[in-house]
Amino acid sequence: DAKTTQPDSMESTEGETVHLPCSHATISGNEYIYWYRQVPLQGPEYVTHGLQQNTTNSMAFLAIASDRKSSTLILPHVSLRDAAVYHCILSHQGGSAKLIFGEGTKLTVSS
Amino acid sequence: GGIITQTPKFLIGQEGQKLTLKCQQNFNHDTMYWYRQDSGKGLRLIYYSITENDLQKGDLSEGYDASREKKSSFSLTVTSAQKNEMAVFLCASSTGVQDTQYFGPGTRLLVL
Repeated sequence: DAKTTQPDSMESTEGETVHLPCSHATISGNEYIYWYRQVPLQGPEYVTHGLQQNTTNSMAFLAIASDRKSSTLILPHVSLRDAAVYHCILSHQGGSAKLIFGEGTKLTVSS
Repeated sequence: GGIITQTPKFLIGQEGQKLTLKCQQNFNHDTMYWYRQDSGKGLRLIYYSITENDLQKGDLSEGYDASREKKSSFSLTVTSAQKNEMAVFLCASSTGVQDTQYFGPGTRLLVL
């Protein structure tokens, strides 16, 4: 089911800016790109989403390629609290209500 | 802002037992969802509800019942717990079925 591809893991150091890539080569015109993150013993936490334009909020910057076949979640100045599994998801595929999570990228942050 | 509360946090049951999980949200969202997450795996949709008293089956509805008693609450019942079953049940809500879903902390189920 998963229509996105992400690296299994990435490592970073506190204070760095982290770029988390996601490939979605078969994305449809009405599909949004959503990012969630999840830490152990917690539910997924919404990070951001976008359709075509780059977006920014207090948590992250989402850069979407002009052809929409890839995107990058940019986390500025990461802290230990940003360590999590980050999931890139294509939402509302064909109007479906469900979110399809893949394995995601496990981000490790060291001090 | 708002919050989603799930009770209980941990649930230990016996094989064959009927178990009920509860979810409350104060976002005033119309749509609510129940997902199951198995260790190291993605989420699978069990049931969702687009408004009070509505129920829609997801991919994994067999073995479960759900009830949307009021706008703010959505319950899930495991009709007959399976021995050695272990999973996390996640409740989510959104304004509408096409909108951003926000998740609760989960209920962790263990069946002995």
